[in-house]
Amino acid sequence: DGGITQSPKYLFRKEGQNVTLSCEQNLNHDAMYWYRQDPGQGLRLIYYSQIVNDFQKGDIAEGYSVSREKKESFPLTVTSAQKNPTAFYLCASSIGTGFGFGQPQHFGDGTRLSIL
Amino acid sequence: AQTVTQSQPEMSVQEAETVTLSCTYDTSESDYYLFWYKQPPSRQMILVIRQEAYKQQNATENRFSVNFQKAAKSFSLKISDSQLGDAAMYFCAYRSGGGTASKLTFGTGTRLQVTL
Repeated sequence: DGGITQSPKYLFRKEGQNVTLSCEQNLNHDAMYWYRQDPGQGLRLIYYSQIVNDFQKGDIAEGYSVSREKKESFPLTVTSAQKNPTAFYLCASSIGTGFGFGQPQHFGDGTRLSIL
Repeated sequence: AQTVTQSQPEMSVQEAETVTLSCTYDTSESDYYLFWYKQPPSRQMILVIRQEAYKQQNATENRFSVNFQKAAKSFSLKISDSQLGDAAMYFCAYRSGGGTASKLTFGTGTRLQVTL
């Protein structure tokens, strides 16, 4: 079955440590996204990528970095510069922005990141 | 920048009854898309229904329908014959129709409880 796989499901970070969240999709989608979800705040966009080797900052990109070396993969690194990283992180993908940009985003099951 | 407002943090409905969740948005664009997503306790985001702004006809998906009022910038979700499995967080989301913007802007969500 096609879908989006996020790993790990739970992740713990020590102070001063960088951690990387994995997101892989086999839907052949061009566009991929990372959202952060905090209680009572809905989802906020961190980064998004429309094509391989290209990505744009979202609303809350500070303290995060991404790469898009392959169409299927869009890993998110939470750096030590992100002072409040505890949240639920959701990865999504969609067909793209050229053709069918109204197409809905499909989401993974999320990763919960906590500080030790 | 676009904003999405869900003014009902929590709603409750009895099984088999009908409930309407409210959503308003602010935009200066004429071409855009609106979505309702459901997030059950598993935290997975599931697309419920989608509406294109250029279509006057309200979208319908089985027991779910929307009341789209473009002039009023309102996009409410009606759930008919409510079932226990409908209990979840519901998020309204806006997506620009422009070619350069592919991100979703989410509201803060409405928690729906379904009682026997």
